Amino acid sequence: EVQLVESGGGLVQPGRSLKLSCAASGFTFSNYYMAWVRQAPTKGLEWVASITNSGGSTYYRDSVKGRFTISRDNAKSTLYLQMDSLRSEDTATYYCTRGGKLVFDYWGQGVMVTVSS
Amino acid sequence: DVQMTQSLSYLAASPGESVSISCKASKSISNYLAWYQQKPGEAYKLLIYSGSTLQSGTPSRFSGSGSGTDFTLTIRSLEPEDFGLYYCQQYYEKPLTFGSGTKLEIK
Repeated sequence: EVQLVESGGGLVQPGRSLKLSCAASGFTFSNYYMAWVRQAPTKGLEWVASITNSGGSTYYRDSVKGRFTISRDNAKSTLYLQMDSLRSEDTATYYCTRGGKLVFDYWGQGVMVTVSS
Repeated sequence: DVQMTQSLSYLAASPGESVSISCKASKSISNYLAWYQQKPGEAYKLLIYSGSTLQSGTPSRFSGSGSGTDFTLTIRSLEPEDFGLYYCQQYYEKPLTFGSGTKLEIK
């Protein structure tokens, strides 16, 4: 059974950093693109970043480019999202997803990130 | 960016009825469209991709249609477990974008 379990969320002040992790199991992690998708309170879904199966290429939405870094450790079957220079508009539930080249075929339950002073 | 519009944010129906949820793209996306479902307390689930191809495990009462800019998700003979949120997503180009969602509630 595919499982994606996010961790690392919480309350952080504007301008500070936070790192999310996603532990994957139930599939061969190194064979799949992975991605982060977020959903701000009462808003729709928003793709954030994707990474190729090898980690050799990454893709970001414009609003997080230069501030967020997606990475992965295939030996640990873990996906990461390093978020720097956080802004209030980054407040959202962040979902770890399998896929991200095209569609997202498995999703985690999500982790909340609140950016507030 | 390709804007995805789900004109109905809310839809109420009764079990056994059939419903259709629409999604419109701001430009032609061929059939590069997926549909997702979220139920309270559960993870998002991919239902349909390529506009009309059912993901493994998606019940056959679900169907997708359309290409270009106009797409429809149809659910025949609603079951109680079908009530929830539905989103469309285009993957024709990056950034990958989603519709604003349609909440399907029990009448």
